[in-house]
Amino acid sequence: GQNIDQPTEMTATEGAIVQINCTYQTSGFNGLFWYQQHAGEAPTFLSYNVLDGLEEKGRFSSFLSRSKGYSYLLLKELQMKDSASYLCAVRVEYGNKLVFGAGTILRVKS
Amino acid sequence: DTAVSQTPKYLVTQMGNDKSIKCEQNLGHDTMYWYKQDSKKFLKIMFSYNNKELIINETVPNRFSPKSPDKAHLNLHINSLELGDSAVYFCASSGDRGPYEQYFGPGTRLTVT
Repeated sequence: GQNIDQPTEMTATEGAIVQINCTYQTSGFNGLFWYQQHAGEAPTFLSYNVLDGLEEKGRFSSFLSRSKGYSYLLLKELQMKDSASYLCAVRVEYGNKLVFGAGTILRVKS
Repeated sequence: DTAVSQTPKYLVTQMGNDKSIKCEQNLGHDTMYWYKQDSKKFLKIMFSYNNKELIINETVPNRFSPKSPDKAHLNLHINSLELGDSAVYFCASSGDRGPYEQYFGPGTRLTVT
């Protein structure tokens, strides 16, 4: 089976740093994606990890440990517009099939 | 300039009806997908086509039938709609170069009454 766990909700303050964790147990692994989804909108691609380590992209960084089945998304210098749902997704073996977690709703307060 | 577009954006219909959702992408991608996002915001793959060939077919009722007339279009037809079909349906596409990230359309909110 496929199991991807993320916290349901998180709240953080504008200007702060927040880390959103994701743990996975899947039938295969060929990379992990993070997507951002604002309410009522489409998911948009944020980051991709296939090797262990940290990938940095501006205010966003994503980390992967394949041996632990663990990833996190780090958001720095939080802005109000970062309030959204953050979806962790694992690409499993065949095709380009993504299995998504339920998402973490991040609320940024001033 | 729209990359992945879907029509209609909203669809309200009664149980038992048949409806279609259309999707088009102008990114030149080879692979297209249909996802269902339910009321709990859980996003789940339904189908995927690569160059008009079905490559992913999840456990979906056979009332749902995808059709890809060419690699830029992927339509979803739903027969005998049920209350449980109410959800947001997203179309997506991906290219042939890593990391093969998927680009999503704006979604179609289907409400079955």
